[in-house]
Amino acid sequence: DQQVKQNSPSLSVQEGRISILNCDYTNSMFDYFLWYKKYPAEGPTFLISISSIKDKNEDGRFTVFLNKSAKHLSLHIVPSQPGDSAVYFCAAFSGGGADGLTFGKGTHLIIQP
Amino acid sequence: NAGVTQTPKFRVLKTGQSMTLLCAQDMNHEYMYWYRQDPGMGLRLIHYSVGEGTTAKGEVPDGYNVSRLKKQNFLLGLESAAPSQTSVYFCASSQGYTGELFFGEGSRLTVL
Repeated sequence: DQQVKQNSPSLSVQEGRISILNCDYTNSMFDYFLWYKKYPAEGPTFLISISSIKDKNEDGRFTVFLNKSAKHLSLHIVPSQPGDSAVYFCAAFSGGGADGLTFGKGTHLIIQP
Repeated sequence: NAGVTQTPKFRVLKTGQSMTLLCAQDMNHEYMYWYRQDPGMGLRLIHYSVGEGTTAKGEVPDGYNVSRLKKQNFLLGLESAAPSQTSVYFCASSQGYTGELFFGEGSRLTVL
């Protein structure tokens, strides 16, 4: 049973436009959400996070939005740049739990020139 | 600035062979994790450790053992490798539990 779902395996966006990556979750106990970025042959790197007490967190070109009632979060990248082409993983955990993150399957973002 | 280092980076095994993957971190982190990544499956937690001398099972622990004898090292062992264990293995560490993990570059294991 998948607790964190990324239903789009891939997304293609033109350079300069906005990229929107979506993530849904089913576990109501999750109270912290993160996005990781992964290039081929490298490990994932942390990108941005949001606590369940917030509905938005912004860091430069990256903004994460959280809709708790819909159990949905999204990552907005604006403007999109060629270096943003990567696989993006949504992840979540329950506060206080050190038993690792639950990851989605990832979305491959392709930025076209 | 090494961060999290995994060895080996590539390995081919025959069914039934054993091997150990080594993860070393130089950030003095308390928490360490082993994940595996399979095509279309995302990352799944195998085992984790919340401090030296402690280990715990994750989502997919069967067929693996781990040890954390030193704070900076986390070893993942396969006692009798199976083709289903063909995967890319990632080690990660974190200081507290904020969810912000630092990952190694991965170890690609093929079991024939």
